[in-house]
Amino acid sequence: SQTIHQWPATLVQPVGSPLSLECTVEGTSNPNLYWYRQAAGRGLQLLFYSVGIGQISSEVPQNLSASRPQDRQFILSSKKLLLSDSGFYLCAWSWDSYEQYFGPGTRLTVT
Amino acid sequence: AQKITQTQPGMFVQEKEAVTLDCTYDTSDPSYGLFWYKQPSSGEMIFLIYQGSYDQQNATEGRYSLNFQKARKSANLVISASQLGDSAMYFCAMREGLSSGSARQLTFGSGTQLTVLP
Repeated sequence: SQTIHQWPATLVQPVGSPLSLECTVEGTSNPNLYWYRQAAGRGLQLLFYSVGIGQISSEVPQNLSASRPQDRQFILSSKKLLLSDSGFYLCAWSWDSYEQYFGPGTRLTVT
Repeated sequence: AQKITQTQPGMFVQEKEAVTLDCTYDTSDPSYGLFWYKQPSSGEMIFLIYQGSYDQQNATEGRYSLNFQKARKSANLVISASQLGDSAMYFCAMREGLSSGSARQLTFGSGTQLTVLP
């Protein structure tokens, strides 16, 4: 069966510091991968998606970036965090048209 | 315009009763999919049920069923025999361009917080 991991689970970072969140998927190959952000009490906003190694599409302009160095690894990064980057970050995977399966999420607080 | 609208910020239901969570959507794409997810307080998004725009019958998964009314562009989630563990945030989502086969985003509604009362 497929599983998806995210770490860290929680993170508190000062404004201006760098960020690296990691997501890995097990039990499948060549999945579509996604990064979402959820502000408190809100729905999910897609940040990035990837259909293959090195292929990244950005949905929202921001100071975040994503990379996919391996087939089942998806990384969300920032060089300098802003207060507005605080939120709950969810990674998800899917096969083409069907449902997306989400990881446990990372709760980021920028102070 | 909002693509997914969930008009009920909060709902209460008595344990063992049925509850309907509303969702309306807006798309001009003839091929789309509708999804419901549950998000408990832990934060993880749990996939519940899927309905394709060309599906003739309403989707069902255990105690979950989707009341799909295509002409009205609604995809309400019905939970039968509510349990205390059903208390969570519920999100309706849509994916357009289903026939393209490529990765496409899910567009989420703002969610409905369901509380099941003992």
